[in-house]
Amino acid sequence: AQRVTQPEKLLSVFKGAPVELKCNYSYSGSPELFWYVQYSRQRLQLLLRHISRESIKGFTADLNKGETSFHLKKPFAQEEDSAMYYCALNTGNQFYFGTGTSLTVIP
Amino acid sequence: DVKVTQSSRYLVKRTGEKVFLECVQDMDHENMFWYRQDPGLGLRLIYFSYDVKMKEKGDIPEGYSVSREKKERFSLILESASTNQTSMYLCASSLYRGRYTFGSGTRLTVV
Repeated sequence: AQRVTQPEKLLSVFKGAPVELKCNYSYSGSPELFWYVQYSRQRLQLLLRHISRESIKGFTADLNKGETSFHLKKPFAQEEDSAMYYCALNTGNQFYFGTGTSLTVIP
Repeated sequence: DVKVTQSSRYLVKRTGEKVFLECVQDMDHENMFWYRQDPGLGLRLIYFSYDVKMKEKGDIPEGYSVSREKKERFSLILESASTNQTSMYLCASSLYRGRYTFGSGTRLTVV
């Protein structure tokens, strides 16, 4: 069963527009959720964790346990945000990744 | 800054060859992982290791094996490469669960 769902494979927004990358998870315990990002020709890297409740590069993500979602948001997209984004779930026993969303920010 | 180094960026091998993908990390992490990354399928776990000489199967271990003789090195072995193993392979290490550091990846093409 798919533990992490990212419904959008491709997402395009204009520069300066708000962006939201969707992530839904399936887990009955206490989830630990992450967003990873892979810029072109670079390694996959941690963007943010829900535990730390931080904002990185203007991105935020709020864990909504009622909707089992962990959507990634940014109010004003920048061209350098174009990348592949993966949502990930840690259940304690295993780590699950979504299939990824490719974000393109159009100048 | 943690570094995870994968020995090859690009690799082309013939069907039936035995292939070794090497991964080395320099921060004394106990946990190491091998994933493959395919379009539309995301990252899928092949094998992982929580200690030297210890290994656990991930979601897609068939056709692969691993070796962890030293803490810093985790090798992925394709016993007899096949075309459906053409993929991007990512190694990762972590000290704490979730704070993974990934290597740059090895793009393997099996012809």
